[in-house]
Amino acid sequence: GAGVSQSPSNKVTEKGKDVELRCDPISGHTALYWYRQSLGQGLEFLIYFQGNSAPDKSGLPSDRFSAERTGGSVSTLTIQRTQQEDSAVYLCASSLADGYTFGSGTRLTVV
Amino acid sequence: QKEVEQNSGPLSVPEGAIASLNCTYSDRGSQSFFWYRQYSGKSPELIMFIYSNGDKEDGRFTAQLNKASQYVSLLIRDSQPSDSATYLCAVNRSGGSYIPTFGRGTSLIVHP
Repeated sequence: GAGVSQSPSNKVTEKGKDVELRCDPISGHTALYWYRQSLGQGLEFLIYFQGNSAPDKSGLPSDRFSAERTGGSVSTLTIQRTQQEDSAVYLCASSLADGYTFGSGTRLTVV
Repeated sequence: QKEVEQNSGPLSVPEGAIASLNCTYSDRGSQSFFWYRQYSGKSPELIMFIYSNGDKEDGRFTAQLNKASQYVSLLIRDSQPSDSATYLCAVNRSGGSYIPTFGRGTSLIVHP
């Protein structure tokens, strides 16, 4: 597609449930990033994929968070046993060279 | 000290004025600098990037980089109400990393 596609756009889940968030980057973009943004806060880096290299997971806040990228394209961010503090907008971005293009995000609400 | 710092604002300017947004960073080895605009409820969109000291102009926008003083700024000339948004500064870490660190953004309000 022309842009970075994320799904679902909104997700409401009960505390303790697992959720999966999907990101489909711009075709040909080798780099893919996950960030999250809490209300009124900046962007918090979570994980970075570059081609076939091992991902940089240094931003993942706990072992409840994991992500994978299949075939160098689509990525899935999984949050296990969700907590209320996980509520945020999860943004995916992809990049080839200069700059980063963001998807429209997934708004996650944990109730 | 935060890695990338911005005044949260809001910065309020009249329509037609120049808006000046500033950003400082702590990693002296940083190489790449970006400005993003984020409208309320929307995702960030890239406005400009700059790599070298000095000014870079694109339409009404000018990015200024001073690596010695570790700051990067964004000037918006002839500000319009449609420029009202939060402006995020992003800096790539040094050492060949391509992971941008974002500031918390400056809210800009352009009033008619």
